Amino acid sequence: ETGVTQSPTHLIKTRGQQVTLRCSSQSGHNTVSWYQQALGQGPQFIFQYYREEENGRGNFPPRFSGLQFPNYSSELNVNALELDDSALYLCASSPRGDRALPDTQYFGPGTRLTVL
Amino acid sequence: AQSVTQLDSQVPVFEEAPVELRCNYSSSVSVYLFWYVQYPNQGLQLLLKYLSGSTLVKGINGFEAEFNKSQTSFHLRKPSVHISDTAEYFCAVSDRGSGYALNFGKGTSLLVTP
Repeated sequence: ETGVTQSPTHLIKTRGQQVTLRCSSQSGHNTVSWYQQALGQGPQFIFQYYREEENGRGNFPPRFSGLQFPNYSSELNVNALELDDSALYLCASSPRGDRALPDTQYFGPGTRLTVL
Repeated sequence: AQSVTQLDSQVPVFEEAPVELRCNYSSSVSVYLFWYVQYPNQGLQLLLKYLSGSTLVKGINGFEAEFNKSQTSFHLRKPSVHISDTAEYFCAVSDRGSGYALNFGKGTSLLVTP
């Protein structure tokens, strides 16, 4: 069984540019969540996608956007990059149960984004 | 929204000694608690979780945690640590109102030395 994969592993961009990060969910998982982890901090929830629809969002501006595809893979797009966007971006997939209890989220290795 | 506080940013400990990593959460009904571990340059791996039932939760790699509702705590413990336990440990909380999104603490760096 393949786990959660992310690409690329590392990325360097300059301020003002746009970036797209990719995530392939674990087999059988239909929900993808994205988190931003700044250096020395815990991950912060960006948003979640379920069946191609955004299903919850954290305190991030609209220039952070996403997509989920029919195969449940996902993209995170960030426009107008700022220096503070430098972070490890983590993707997590989960199987969506009956929602009475939270599903376990399985994390990928992350994409390290550096904005210069 | 629910939040967690990890009381120690760094915990140094000798190999084979016991360790406790502390986590307190903001009070609410029906919270769900998690501990994740992050090894250098890697993603997060679930150690254990409390959803309901027994307040003593056993996880992987010999770790356990106890859910204490009266003290709003979920401390992580291991009776004897190994060098390989050196990593960053994150406590996280979720609730139904937030769609079960994970809200993480700032992490505790566990450093195990010989």
